[in-house]
Amino acid sequence: EAQVTQNPRYLITVTGKKLTVTCSQNMNHEYMSWYRQDPGLGLRQIYYSMNVEVTDKGDVPEGYKVSRKEKRNFPLILESPSPNQTSLYFCASSVTGQGQFYEQYFGPGTRLTVT
Amino acid sequence: GEDVEQSLFLSVREGDSSVINCTYTDSSSTYLYWYKQEPGAGLQLLTYIFSNMDMKQDQRLTVLLNKKDKHLSLRIADTQTGDSAIYFCAETGGSYIPTFGRGTSLIVHP
Repeated sequence: EAQVTQNPRYLITVTGKKLTVTCSQNMNHEYMSWYRQDPGLGLRQIYYSMNVEVTDKGDVPEGYKVSRKEKRNFPLILESPSPNQTSLYFCASSVTGQGQFYEQYFGPGTRLTVT
Repeated sequence: GEDVEQSLFLSVREGDSSVINCTYTDSSSTYLYWYKQEPGAGLQLLTYIFSNMDMKQDQRLTVLLNKKDKHLSLRIADTQTGDSAIYFCAETGGSYIPTFGRGTSLIVHP
């Protein structure tokens, strides 16, 4: 089954304790991205990756890191989490190219609470 | 940056039609999308329209695009309680990286 998986689904942590949220896709997609969803603000892109070893900042990258060492995995790293990073996080993937339609496939979400 | 605007809430009666509206600012938008998010789940693509089209119909869903006014709408005919969800409008311009609206919560009551 084609899917994007995220782990963990729920996480409660304390300020300053480094954490990683994993994301994996089994569709051989080049493009992967991370979003955060906050009430009243919709989805905002944190980072995206066009392919292995190619990453770039989205709209709200501060406080986050990513890496893309393999095509299927795109972990989100919070080196020193703060309460304002409490949010619902989504990973997504799609194929890429020009002049074509590309559907993004979303993971189920990770609800992070930083106290 | 580019912006996508939607109203935050829409309440309809079961069996009526729902119309969710969206406006965008990117004049180079290539594709416009409607995603659905059910409680506790990720986003799922409902439908999309290419910028050179005016209308697209897919079963109970009708998408209308007014490119001149940069206005997109999603009409759901015969709305059911299972249609209750958050609906996101999104667009891609030359970068092919989508900009999402804030989402419209559709509430369907009996």
